[in-house]
Amino acid sequence: QQPVQSPQAVILREGEDAVINCSSSKALYSVHWYRQKHGEAPVFLMILLKGGEQKGHDKISASFNEKKQQSSLYLTASQLSYSGTYFCGTVPVPQYVDSNYQLIWGAGTKLIIKP
Amino acid sequence: DAGVTQSPTHLIKTRGQQVTLRCSPKSGHDTVSWYQQALGQGPQFIFQYYEEEERQRGNFPDRFSGHQFPNYSSELNVNALLLGDSALYLCASSFQPGQGPSYEQYFGPGTRLTVT
Repeated sequence: QQPVQSPQAVILREGEDAVINCSSSKALYSVHWYRQKHGEAPVFLMILLKGGEQKGHDKISASFNEKKQQSSLYLTASQLSYSGTYFCGTVPVPQYVDSNYQLIWGAGTKLIIKP
Repeated sequence: DAGVTQSPTHLIKTRGQQVTLRCSPKSGHDTVSWYQQALGQGPQFIFQYYEEEERQRGNFPDRFSGHQFPNYSSELNVNALLLGDSALYLCASSFQPGQGPSYEQYFGPGTRLTVT
């Protein structure tokens, strides 16, 4: 049930681009992206909702393919400050009408930016 | 505007003991979620509190319990501590009308619990 993130780790030079993927086996209501720096709390980046709505920071872009239950986070012209571990969280469509929504986190993608 | 605060920041306990962790949500937020994060892993959902009631629960034993107060602050209690309970415990707050999943969560700095 846990979403699968790929790659597990990526090393970039400053200015290069990266794509981080998140895949689920369940039909999804939404996908959430967070970044966590070492020793710090996760920080919200973006939410992508079924139906196309997105909420997040202007400098972050992402896509959500509802049919494939996949999301990708695009980091362009990377900066040193982008380093950290990126987590996707998925919210499956509830199985029953009165079921609650639950955010399930992936294992993370570690991003290292070198100057 | 104060963000999410947690106390204590670090804690060392002995196997079998009990521990209480505290969380104050961001101003204006009414929902508190607790997560356990082992080293190198993603957060694992423990439970969520809304209107002083546990609304959702992850796959954690009854040794993990919680409480939410009228001011929306929350406590996480863990009884009969095991070595495997050693982890970073994160609290996240959100404003969540109804039960929709379209909310962003704001995380506190976490409490590092070490069980020896």
